[in-house]
Amino acid sequence: DAGITQSPRYKITETGRQVTLMCHQTWSHSYMFWYRQDLGHGLRLIYYSAAADITDKGEVPDGYVVSRSKTENFPLTLESATRSQTSVYFCASSGQMEGQAGNQPQHFGDGTRLSIL
Amino acid sequence: DAKTTQPTSMDCAEGRAANLPCNHSTISGNEYVYWYRQIHSQGPQYIIHGLKNNETNEMASLIITEDRKSSTLILPHATLRDTAVYYCIVRVEGNQGGKLIFGQGTELSVKP
Repeated sequence: DAGITQSPRYKITETGRQVTLMCHQTWSHSYMFWYRQDLGHGLRLIYYSAAADITDKGEVPDGYVVSRSKTENFPLTLESATRSQTSVYFCASSGQMEGQAGNQPQHFGDGTRLSIL
Repeated sequence: DAKTTQPTSMDCAEGRAANLPCNHSTISGNEYVYWYRQIHSQGPQYIIHGLKNNETNEMASLIITEDRKSSTLILPHATLRDTAVYYCIVRVEGNQGGKLIFGQGTELSVKP
């Protein structure tokens, strides 16, 4: 079934470890996004990508690394995990914005629940 | 960034229409109004969006006032499965890829 999938759904790791969250979409959407959701903060943008090999920082990029070698994949890496990065992570994608920007909805995956001990 | 204001919570009887209001008095002329919902433990789900005109799809209707300072999401026949947090969002054109800024939303409870 076409869509956007995230893996793993649940992950527990220890501080200092490297962990990679995967995101894959089958729509060939140009834009992809990573958000984190925490109580009291809503969803906050970590990184986004306008196309393959083009990435840029969002509101809270510190401690995270992204790459986009292929249009369909947008992995998020925590290079040295900290407890403050315990959160629910959502990946989203949207089509190429032509003409008036903002008229292509973002579609979200089901999230990865990450706990860092 | 245009800010939105929504009631914290609302109740609705099953089978009745759910009308969820949103104020966005600082919206700019080229900014869209988006509605998403989030059911517990799932990712946000896109519902509908609009610029000036009223919009309808298979899920809901969106009514935008003429001055665009407020809007209402209408779920015509609410079911128990519509219980969720509903977010009204003003899409920021060209800003960080058109990022979505989620506020606190309205927690809608559909009751039998």
